Amino acid sequence: SAVISQKPSRDICQRGTSLTIQCQVDSQVTMMFWYRQQPGQSLTLIATANQGSEATYESGFVIDKFPISRPNLTFSTLTVSNMSPEDSSIYLCSVERRANEQFFGPGTRLTVL
Amino acid sequence: AQSVTQLGSHVSVSEGALVLLRCNYSSSVPPYLFWYVQYPNQGLQLLLKYTSAATLVKGINGFEAEFKKSETSFHLTKPSAHMSDAAEYFCAVSESGNQFYFGTGTSLTVIP
Repeated sequence: SAVISQKPSRDICQRGTSLTIQCQVDSQVTMMFWYRQQPGQSLTLIATANQGSEATYESGFVIDKFPISRPNLTFSTLTVSNMSPEDSSIYLCSVERRANEQFFGPGTRLTVL
Repeated sequence: AQSVTQLGSHVSVSEGALVLLRCNYSSSVPPYLFWYVQYPNQGLQLLLKYTSAATLVKGINGFEAEFKKSETSFHLTKPSAHMSDAAEYFCAVSESGNQFYFGTGTSLTVIP
């Protein structure tokens, strides 16, 4: 299994500000994924982050709102920009460690006031 | 297009009773299927996965799931529920093994 850590584990932010979430993996992986889990709902893929190229965003998500960095094969960041209360969610990163198997980080619980 | 339907957003069972969580999928190709569990305030943990080998898949904590192509189902079962099984359970489908689509989740309550 992969060991994935996320920082911060939780945060409370003011409307209009931005938060950068970090995801660290214990070994090199090609693709990292960012998901959002809104209260009481399932996971929705935000984007796929490959090292050395721009992230690929899913429908309904844009780079200006959710910029992603992938500086190396073990690290990625997701920024939630110009936050509103609707952005209150759990944000999770995941990696594909073995074929056809994704491992998830513990998540970052974000509350926007 | 891929999608997952989990019937029953909330399931309650008595301790020691059978657990049955339902999952139906749609996929244009033979899919990979997964069950994840999420305990309160934690991330997702893989319970089990189907990747075209045996149709009956055994996972952790006594859970198992059976892939039924004719019914496009991948229901999760456990013969005897334990209090520690109370959690949110998510079924997921993937055609490529990279992009996952999750169901809306089923919250399992175990009654002592």
